[in-house]
Amino acid sequence: AQSVAQPEDQVNVAEGNPLTVKCTYSVSGNPYLFWYVQYPNRGLQFLLKYITGDNLVKGSYGFEAEFNKSQTSFHLKKPSALVSDSALYFCAVRDGRSNYQLIWGAGTKLIIKP
Amino acid sequence: NAGVTQTPKFRILKIGQSMTLQCTQDMNHNYMYWYRQDPGMGLKLIYYSVGAGITDKGEVPNGYNVSRSTTEDFPLRLELAAPSQTSVYFCASRGQGDLAKNIQYFGAGTRLSVL
Repeated sequence: AQSVAQPEDQVNVAEGNPLTVKCTYSVSGNPYLFWYVQYPNRGLQFLLKYITGDNLVKGSYGFEAEFNKSQTSFHLKKPSALVSDSALYFCAVRDGRSNYQLIWGAGTKLIIKP
Repeated sequence: NAGVTQTPKFRILKIGQSMTLQCTQDMNHNYMYWYRQDPGMGLKLIYYSVGAGITDKGEVPNGYNVSRSTTEDFPLRLELAAPSQTSVYFCASRGQGDLAKNIQYFGAGTRLSVL
């Protein structure tokens, strides 16, 4: 079955420290992987994606993600967290059976403490 | 730039009432989507459309209907509202072309309570 797992409901990080938000996936075919961010009372915003090429992809707001095919993971990272990074983060993968749909993780709440 | 616009932002319905959630996009996107987001859950796809006149069911279509008479608009209709439809509803659209492919753009959401 195709799926996306975000194993942590919440991640707490002190401001200035590095952060990692984890995502693993199971999908048929080559994975197209995405990270989105949702600020309170807002819609989701695209952060970055992996389609092909370098395993380390860079996105908006200083975020990056590392694709690891052997571990079927696509973890989101940032070297130095900001309080303004506090939000809900979603990992998604393109449904291998359909070009139109994404399969979404349940989301991880990231809290950055001053 | 407007992007994807959803109305209303909030609504309270009584059980059995009906309503239409409006969604419009000004990016000339062919693909449009309706999702619901329940607390602690990821997005669940309700319906999607690959172009004007074409719609298809997603993962959780029961209790909803859609239409796509124009490229810009993709309204979601709730008939006979039930408490289980209390949720936040998001409309999204997807661009075309290699660079924009697969990136979905979201509206701000409609928070619906059915009491």
